Amino acid sequence: DVQMTQSPFNLAASPGESVSINCKASKSISKYLAWYQQKPGKANKLLIYDGSTLQSGIPSRFSGSRSGTDFTLTIRSLEPEDFGLYYCQQHNEYPFTFGSGTKLEIK
Amino acid sequence: QVQLQQSGTELVKPASSVKISCKASGYIFTSNYMHWIRQQPGNGLEWIGWIYPGNGNTKYNQKFDGKATLTAVKSSSTAYMQLSSLTSEDSAVYFCARSGVYYGPYWYFDFWGPGTMVTVSS
Repeated sequence: DVQMTQSPFNLAASPGESVSINCKASKSISKYLAWYQQKPGKANKLLIYDGSTLQSGIPSRFSGSRSGTDFTLTIRSLEPEDFGLYYCQQHNEYPFTFGSGTKLEIK
Repeated sequence: QVQLQQSGTELVKPASSVKISCKASGYIFTSNYMHWIRQQPGNGLEWIGWIYPGNGNTKYNQKFDGKATLTAVKSSSTAYMQLSSLTSEDSAVYFCARSGVYYGPYWYFDFWGPGTMVTVSS
């Protein structure tokens, strides 16, 4: 199985700041990585797929990038509603696997 | 709009089975894939498998072979997952999530249900 190593585990930032969350695949997954946001009481939300394609309806302050097997989710100018849990997922091969999650908290 | 409505919380006994549901609306149920994903308390997400309601085809994560059985009823646009031989390890929140087809199938999950909590306890 492809192991997805996600970092950091926790991240604290203030509204208006920019943050980055990283995910490293244990082998090549080409560009096939997705990012999700998870918040209590809300359905999980797809943010980015294919490494850098913004899902419809997601604000442009979210962006994704790739360098080999390293992927980064960047959130510019944090808004209060951006705080929550973030997960990466490789969608290249079976079984689909997720990173362990990053909790983004308000500083 | 796409909606996935899941059945309610289940409290079940060890060694028993449970069947949870996911009712889809707002899209063509038979032309998309329905996935099930597990989140154990305090843990991350694990993909269990998918069903294609159009023809009933399924694909499972080997880890869940024999544990989970996926079915779907086209007439009610509802997907089901049965979990058998339950142990405390199966206590988790179970999500249904959709993926679709765009010049071929895609395997990211663009819509999720709210989750069904299953607690296994005597």
